[in-house]
Amino acid sequence: AQRVTQPEKLLSVFKGAPVELKCNYSYSGSPELFWYVQYSRQRLQLLLRHISRESIKGFTADLNKGETSFHLKKPFAQEEDSAMYYCALRDSGAGSYQLTFGKGTKLSVIP
Amino acid sequence: DVKVTQSSRYLVKRTGEKVFLECVQDMDHENMFWYRQDPGLGLRLIYFSYDVKMKEKGDIPEGYSVSREKKERFSLILESASTNQTSMYLCASSGGRGRSPLHFGNGTRLTVT
Repeated sequence: AQRVTQPEKLLSVFKGAPVELKCNYSYSGSPELFWYVQYSRQRLQLLLRHISRESIKGFTADLNKGETSFHLKKPFAQEEDSAMYYCALRDSGAGSYQLTFGKGTKLSVIP
Repeated sequence: DVKVTQSSRYLVKRTGEKVFLECVQDMDHENMFWYRQDPGLGLRLIYFSYDVKMKEKGDIPEGYSVSREKKERFSLILESASTNQTSMYLCASSGGRGRSPLHFGNGTRLTVT
């Protein structure tokens, strides 16, 4: 069974400090990893996916298959980054629809 | 831009009532999903559908059923609501045989008293 673990329920950092939101996964197949974000009173939305290899809003995430991790990083946190972040996994094989989510990490950026 | 619309933002129902949560998407997506979101538990998949009249159980289907009579609409049904079904319910859709990311609705906060 696939599993996504986000070890921190809450992460508080000061504005301008680096941010790292941890995500580890357990899956025997070939995974596709995502980060979703939910800002206050907004809908859950895709932040980035590992196959895109892009930086969104200054965030990056690298899939490390050896450590089965997909940590989300940003060098300098901004107040507007305060939100709930979810890591998610999907089997990259054909016909796979299910996305398994972690329990989420609430990021609070202190001014 | 993909729009996923959930008919109600807030609902209050009594224990034992039959509850319908409606979701409509406007991008001709094949796949639709119902999740519930609870603090400390994250998102858990209840049911999903990859085609009209098709449905698959997710991780926590007990106490729920779904209906997909039209491609754009996916309904979640609580046959007899219970207090432990008080939660935020999120509908999502995706296209391309599951290869594209999920697009979420705003959510329905259901309270069962």
